Amino acid sequence: TQLLEQSPQFLSIQEGENLTVYCNSSSVFSSLQWYRQEPGEGPVLLVTVVTGGEVKKLKRLTFQFGDARKDSSLHITAAQPGDTGLYLCAGAPAGGTSYGKLTFGQGTILTVHP
Amino acid sequence: EAGVAQSPRYKIIEKRQSVAFWCNPISGHATLYWYQQILGQGPKLLIQFQNNGVVDDSQLPKDRFSAERLKGVDSTLKIQPAKLEDSAVYLCASSSHSGLRKAYEQYFGPGTRLTVT
Repeated sequence: TQLLEQSPQFLSIQEGENLTVYCNSSSVFSSLQWYRQEPGEGPVLLVTVVTGGEVKKLKRLTFQFGDARKDSSLHITAAQPGDTGLYLCAGAPAGGTSYGKLTFGQGTILTVHP
Repeated sequence: EAGVAQSPRYKIIEKRQSVAFWCNPISGHATLYWYQQILGQGPKLLIQFQNNGVVDDSQLPKDRFSAERLKGVDSTLKIQPAKLEDSAVYLCASSSHSGLRKAYEQYFGPGTRLTVT
């Protein structure tokens, strides 16, 4: 069973601060995705990273896939209250027959105070 | 492009009653997933369909949960009888079947919040 550990589990910061969320595993993933979920809604896909060492930017959000494709990070610069939500990482297994199946981390609840 | 539709959005039932959830995936998406999400946690896969066939139902409590996708489009998830610990959000997601990257990009519906009393 492939597990994804996210840290921290909770994050409460002031508007304008920077933050990083980590997603770690002992398993290799062929790709990794980040989702954001707001209360009462389903997760929304933010980004997919596929190549080891890949870095993607989405406005103030920077996503990185580890060189060994076992870990990933999400960095938010100058956080805003609109960034508040549950951030989930999800990995697609390398090899095997679990086509399309994702392993989700337990999530990081981010609260950005005005 | 219309997103994943789910109904109902909320449901409150008593334990030992039955309940059914409906999902309509994004048009053309061959793969459909049902997840259970406990408040503040990551989704847990219950069942995965590829067209109208089951790909993975290893974490579906088959003594009380059932799901079907008869025509390869809409799907229903049923719980009978419900237990208190089934209180959760039930999410439906879909993905396309073309290309490595797109096959893993899942699009979620808004979910159904179930409360069992």
